[in-house]
Amino acid sequence: DAKTTQPTSMDCAEGRAANLPCNHSTISGNEYVYWYRQIHSQGPQYIIHGLKNNETNEMASLIITEDRKSSTLILPHATLRDTAVYYCIVRVGGTSYGKLTFGQGTILTVHP
Amino acid sequence: NAGVTQTPKFQVLKTGQSMTLQCAQDMNHEYMSWYRQDPGMGLRLIHYSVGAGITDQGEVPNGYNVSRSTTEDFPLRLLSAAPSQTSVYFCASTTGRGGSAQHFGDGTRLSIL
Repeated sequence: DAKTTQPTSMDCAEGRAANLPCNHSTISGNEYVYWYRQIHSQGPQYIIHGLKNNETNEMASLIITEDRKSSTLILPHATLRDTAVYYCIVRVGGTSYGKLTFGQGTILTVHP
Repeated sequence: NAGVTQTPKFQVLKTGQSMTLQCAQDMNHEYMSWYRQDPGMGLRLIHYSVGAGITDQGEVPNGYNVSRSTTEDFPLRLLSAAPSQTSVYFCASTTGRGGSAQHFGDGTRLSIL
């Protein structure tokens, strides 16, 4: 699986958009980009994923560059409850479905 | 929906004791995994299974055994607990189809004295 690079920490004001970047310059054509978050010590929570196109769901939007070497997770109106560690993971399919490689992630702190 | 259920939520063991961490999912997912998370670190894969009767090692398998006799259950066994195994353990499952997301349990917080 391709390696990802994320900033160690970011801050965001409540009500503003939080834009979390991720670099995955060695991504291959069949690898998806996944975002998970972990609030305090809870189990990781799935946010969104994409292959080539931009994606949006009720939680967030995922913007993937045309060359697929980087992506941005957007939380459109951050709240205090969005304070968490956010993980960007690139993963192939096949028998590695059950394997996720977690890096250090980005600690997002949302301020009042 | 129960999703992924882990028991117990908390456990304290003495060095050398054995125990089994339970994980069950009710989503008929083929793929299940065990991770451990040490303080201030990301999750590390211990063992995983791609279906009943099939298991394989992850990044940090030493000191742990797994088996998968049914689709629903994937227990993790500590054979002889060591203080280095003090951690939070998470179980996860997924359908295995391309682009599918993993669902995680709430974790088991294990302390080895």
